[in-house]
Amino acid sequence: NAGVTQTPKFRVLKTGQSMTLLCAQDMNHEYMYWYRQDPGMGLRLIHYSVGEGTTAKGEVPDGYNVSRLKKQNFLLGLESAAPSQTSVYFCASSMHRVNEQYFGPGTRLTVT
Amino acid sequence: AQSVTQPDIHITVSEGASLELRCNYSYGATPYLFWYVQSPGQGLQLLLKYFSGDTLVQGIKGFEAEFKRSQSSFNLRKPSVHWSDAAEYFCAVGGSGNTGKLIFGQGTTLQVKP
Repeated sequence: NAGVTQTPKFRVLKTGQSMTLLCAQDMNHEYMYWYRQDPGMGLRLIHYSVGEGTTAKGEVPDGYNVSRLKKQNFLLGLESAAPSQTSVYFCASSMHRVNEQYFGPGTRLTVT
Repeated sequence: AQSVTQPDIHITVSEGASLELRCNYSYGATPYLFWYVQSPGQGLQLLLKYFSGDTLVQGIKGFEAEFKRSQSSFNLRKPSVHWSDAAEYFCAVGGSGNTGKLIFGQGTTLQVKP
């Protein structure tokens, strides 16, 4: 039981490049979330999903897209990376809307 | 607006001393409250949670927190800090909406002096 895993762990992009971050969970959780963590700002919600095939915008969705084609996977895409997207990205999942969230180990992304 | 405030950005305590990390929230409905801990380079791990019932909740690693509705607070405490407790601590609030979204505080970094 791996919990929540994230791929890749580190990535460096040039401005304008695109990439996809993969989040996978093996706990059969319905809810999945993407956050970004920046110094002094805690975690801010980018996008979330309340079930397979659904996605919704969070607090800071601009510049990101997501997809949840399979229940266990939640993909975060950057179509045209910008230096402001340099951050640590965390994926989380939960069984129910009032349950605690389980977090992945994070992806550190640098955009130059 | 919903928000979480952790007034202390950085706290230093001596090993063996007691610890209290403050958390204040603003939430229009009944809140669900969480404390998470993040070690350097790691993801977030749940320390404890409050949904309802007894306002003093026990968590892992000897931590506890007390929900005080009148003060809109959910402070984290530990009677005797260990060097391994050095980490960043996040308070978060969620609610009864249908999304499960959490709002996080800015975090408090705990340094432990030997």
